[in-house]
Amino acid sequence: DTGVSQNPRHKITKRGQNVTFRCDPISEHNRLYWYRQTLGQGPEFLTYFQNEAQLEKSRLLSDRFSAERPKGSFSTLEIQRTEQGDSAMYLCAIGGGEAFFGQGTRLTVV
Amino acid sequence: EDKVVQSPLSLVVHEGDTVTLNCSYEVTNFRSLLWYKQEKKAPTFLFMLTSSGIEKKSGRLSSILDKKELFSIQNITATQTGDSAVYLCAGTPSGTYKYIFGTGTRLKVLA
Repeated sequence: DTGVSQNPRHKITKRGQNVTFRCDPISEHNRLYWYRQTLGQGPEFLTYFQNEAQLEKSRLLSDRFSAERPKGSFSTLEIQRTEQGDSAMYLCAIGGGEAFFGQGTRLTVV
Repeated sequence: EDKVVQSPLSLVVHEGDTVTLNCSYEVTNFRSLLWYKQEKKAPTFLFMLTSSGIEKKSGRLSSILDKKELFSIQNITATQTGDSAVYLCAGTPSGTYKYIFGTGTRLKVLA
């Protein structure tokens, strides 16, 4: 148990649909990250929150991606108009110097 | 551009062998290097290294950082089948919150 719960664990969606993932830290953590991991690659940084403020966002993140952390606790990541290239594992992490990852949401776009 | 390179990409050994995994980095204003183990799910944190030459150990795993030569190694002694996983390293630059991950080394330990 890493202290991070992610839902859903798996999501299959048709191309063009919108999807939303949720990340719930079990205890309060100031720092929350979203990463994306494709097969054979290491996790790739998407965005970072400190409390409710989104302080950093990857330039790789297109306008179709948006993330929120409205009360500084749980966070959501939304992908609009999904494309097949969005198929990946989406990982949420919490922590300070080291990040502790949740189990991830595996997205398949068909 | 910041990057982290791991070698070898994959490795097959027999139980009881000792392995060394390599991680070299080019990270702006380097702050720390992290090692993770990933089985079929999320990466699990192993070590964080910030100072050169100081070894971190946990059981049969140990890791060390060389900030002059910009690399880190992870050793696993007396390997077991349960050590089979992808081992990831990540560099953290100052002035940013992101971790830059390598592609990982896939280790398979045969019984």
